[in-house]
Amino acid sequence: EAGVTQFPSHSVIEKGQTVTLRCDPISGHDNLYWYRRVMGKEIKFLLHFVKESKQDESGMPNNRFLAERTGGTYSTLKVQPAELEDSGVYFCASSQVWGANTEAFFGQGTRLTVV
Amino acid sequence: RKEVEQDPGPFNVPEGATVAFNCTYSNSASQSFFWYRQDCRKEPKLLMSVYSSGNEDGRFTAQLNRASQYISLLIRDSKLSDSATYLCVRGSSNTGKLIFGQGTTLQVKP
Repeated sequence: EAGVTQFPSHSVIEKGQTVTLRCDPISGHDNLYWYRRVMGKEIKFLLHFVKESKQDESGMPNNRFLAERTGGTYSTLKVQPAELEDSGVYFCASSQVWGANTEAFFGQGTRLTVV
Repeated sequence: RKEVEQDPGPFNVPEGATVAFNCTYSNSASQSFFWYRQDCRKEPKLLMSVYSSGNEDGRFTAQLNRASQYISLLIRDSKLSDSATYLCVRGSSNTGKLIFGQGTTLQVKP
């Protein structure tokens, strides 16, 4: 069975440009999470989808970030316009059920560099 | 204060050594805790969950002390393949959202 896949694995863009990251969760997983790790800091939660609905977007840094999950399958995270501080590794995770003790499976991440 | 705090290390130990990592958390209502392992430039993977009385999985033992808001991970008989970053993680009580510590780096040397 395929795991969580993310695309692209790396992206280098200039400040002010737009980038769209994609995440394909494990098939059948209704819960999809985005996380980010900036250099020197811990991995931080961005948002949580249950199917196509945003359950919790409390971690989104600002309105330059837009996440979608149309149809409740794959998700995209768009950054527009990108700033230098957006550089980091963006992880997507999915889980089958929703709860405190549920195992989350992570994708390999997208390494974003804004120059 | 961070919600989950870890000593970042690095911990450099010889093969066969026993090593312990500690983690403290600030939310006394927290219910669930995990240790994740992350290899260099890879994704985090669940190593083990930590329950109220602690638990053991082979060479790995996780302990939880709710009174002190403290979690530990003990690795016995360290292997070269144990070299990685170990992430202490708190689970949200309701949503499955995870709150990560900064991670502790372990390097096991021959």
